[in-house]
Amino acid sequence: KAGVTQTPRYLIKTRGQQVTLSCSPISGHRSVSWYQQTPGQGLQFLFEYFSETQRNKGNFPGRFSGRQFSNSRSEMNVSTLELGDSALYLCASSLSRDSYGYTFGSGTRLTVV
Amino acid sequence: AQTVTQSQPEMSVQEAETVTLSCTYDTSESNYYLFWYKQPPSRQMILVIRQEAYKQQNATENRFSVNFQKAAKSFSLKISDSQLGDTAMYFCAFMNKNTGNQFYFGTGTSLTVIP
Repeated sequence: KAGVTQTPRYLIKTRGQQVTLSCSPISGHRSVSWYQQTPGQGLQFLFEYFSETQRNKGNFPGRFSGRQFSNSRSEMNVSTLELGDSALYLCASSLSRDSYGYTFGSGTRLTVV
Repeated sequence: AQTVTQSQPEMSVQEAETVTLSCTYDTSESNYYLFWYKQPPSRQMILVIRQEAYKQQNATENRFSVNFQKAAKSFSLKISDSQLGDTAMYFCAFMNKNTGNQFYFGTGTSLTVIP
């Protein structure tokens, strides 16, 4: 059984650019959540999608957005990148909202220069 | 709002010894889950153990056990017979059972197992 797959693993972007990160959940999982991990702020919740609908959103500016497709794959987009957006972005999937059986991916390391 | 506090940024333990990682949390919720996750250099967050707040019995998974003190809002992790592969960052996390879709993480404890 394949795990949660995040692509790419590493990414370097320039300030002002935009970036799209991808997350493929475990087969059958319908909930996908995104987290930002930085040394200064730790792990912070970005948003959660279930059946293509965003159900919850963390306290991040509108430059951070996401979407989920009918096959449950999810993408997150960050526009107008800032140096402070450099982080490890983690994705987690689960069967449903009521399940606490979350599985995390290995993340995408984004560096903004 | 929920907060999770891990007061030990770094810890070390000799191989085969026992170590306890501390975690406290603050919430007004009564129905929730608590977790310990491990993050090795591979970066993937791996579930170590979880506890449902309504269960008084402390959870145990092989060499890993917790001491859950609900009234004190304390949730410590005990690792017995420490192994080199236990070297990692350990995060304590809270999830509200009613909403069930957002983790609140502590700042982590970096554990090093010394051979």
